[in-house]
Amino acid sequence: EVQLVESGGGLVQPGGSLKLSCATSGFTFSGSAIHWVRQASGNGLEWVAHIRSKTNNYATAYTASVKGRFSVSRDDSKNMAYLEMNSLNTEDTAVYYCARPTYYFDDIGRLDWYFDLWGRGILVSVSS
Amino acid sequence: SSELTQDPAVSVALGQTVRITCQGDSLRRDYPSWYQQKPGQAPILVIYGKNNRPSGVPDRFSGSNSGYTASLTITGVQAEDEADYHCHSRDSSGNQGVFGGGTKLTVL
Repeated sequence: EVQLVESGGGLVQPGGSLKLSCATSGFTFSGSAIHWVRQASGNGLEWVAHIRSKTNNYATAYTASVKGRFSVSRDDSKNMAYLEMNSLNTEDTAVYYCARPTYYFDDIGRLDWYFDLWGRGILVSVSS
Repeated sequence: SSELTQDPAVSVALGQTVRITCQGDSLRRDYPSWYQQKPGQAPILVIYGKNNRPSGVPDRFSGSNSGYTASLTITGVQAEDEADYHCHSRDSSGNQGVFGGGTKLTVL
């Protein structure tokens, strides 16, 4: 079955750390990027970070609010992606999703993507 | 600007047509992808690219772009279409993603 399954969430105190995992199956993980998206309760989706494949030099990118605090990584031998979160604050409280992108070139040759597979999400609560 | 703006809420009568919009500078060059999300569930892709529907998405869903505004149109809305709808595009760098704030669709 083609799926993504997040784990590792929970309650953490402000200033603490947490590492989320994204277990993948049913597709060639090594050739795929993984993005992380979060959603605070009652809010919209927020793009957080991505890690691309070995072919793309495992390139990473982060939204400004997590840069320097969060780190994405992957283990292609285990078909796993990770989001390590440090110096957590209450604004990081959210459901975190991992998502698989499909990249394509648009009609004028620019690289674009959409998310065709999502995990169920995992709750991270930052509170004292 | 890398932001995408959506109306927070839209309502439509059963069987009618509704247009959900997404505005942003990036939409002059990019086609956004659109996601449907029901309470307690993960988002699912409904439209991507110029106007492409993944397998399994009903043909009553369509997408279009005009200038700074992209639209998701649902023609002949069904009760099961009641959900939140999110648009997504690349930011100005082209290397990061950005989502709109989401639109809650209510079917009357």
